[in-house]
Amino acid sequence: GENVEQHPSTLSVQEGDSAVIKCTYSDSASNYFPWYKQELGKRPQLIIDIRSNVGEKKDQRIAVTLNKTAKHFSLHITETQPEDSAVYFCAASRTGGYQKVTFGTGTKLQVIP
Amino acid sequence: DSGVTQTPKHLITATGQRVTLRCSPRSGDLSVYWYQQSLDQGLQFLIQYYNGEERAKGNILERFSAQQFPDLHSELNLSSLELGDSALYFCASSVVPDMNTEAFFGQGTRLTVV
Repeated sequence: GENVEQHPSTLSVQEGDSAVIKCTYSDSASNYFPWYKQELGKRPQLIIDIRSNVGEKKDQRIAVTLNKTAKHFSLHITETQPEDSAVYFCAASRTGGYQKVTFGTGTKLQVIP
Repeated sequence: DSGVTQTPKHLITATGQRVTLRCSPRSGDLSVYWYQQSLDQGLQFLIQYYNGEERAKGNILERFSAQQFPDLHSELNLSSLELGDSALYFCASSVVPDMNTEAFFGQGTRLTVV
């Protein structure tokens, strides 16, 4: 089955700096890679996703890159703000078959004002 | 509001007991996923149903079971509860069977076993 590794487990940055979270996956057939943000005590919410036919996707201060050859994808947050503080989860899944989506172990991001 | 409703929000019960967690997916979503999140842990996939049928199984204990009903709501049954079962249980739903579009999470049920 799919295995998703996520690094780092914790990340502290100064407000205004950039934050990068990296994930690797094992199943080369995975073709959908969402990122979820979970604020303390709240439900995970999708912030951005990317499909395997795209190498990069950007949405305002958030961007995701995908390297299919190396089987890794990354979340980039620029100009971080205190409200970006949360736990971020990457995930990988594939279309078809009886495959579940597999989440990474999460990265706790702290943005220091 | 994600449109996914989970009840109850909080549940406190004793070891050895049995509880049922309920999830109503978003209108039109056929897939329901159950996840367990222990303190400071990631999302551990338990089980998925699609249109009433079990579609995928993760690290779900034999003491746990689930089902999806004709109206598409789902229930997760946890029996012979142990202290280690204390966790936040999330339900998520998506319209397609493989979660290759956005999955919407409910607010979760916080289970405390004492």
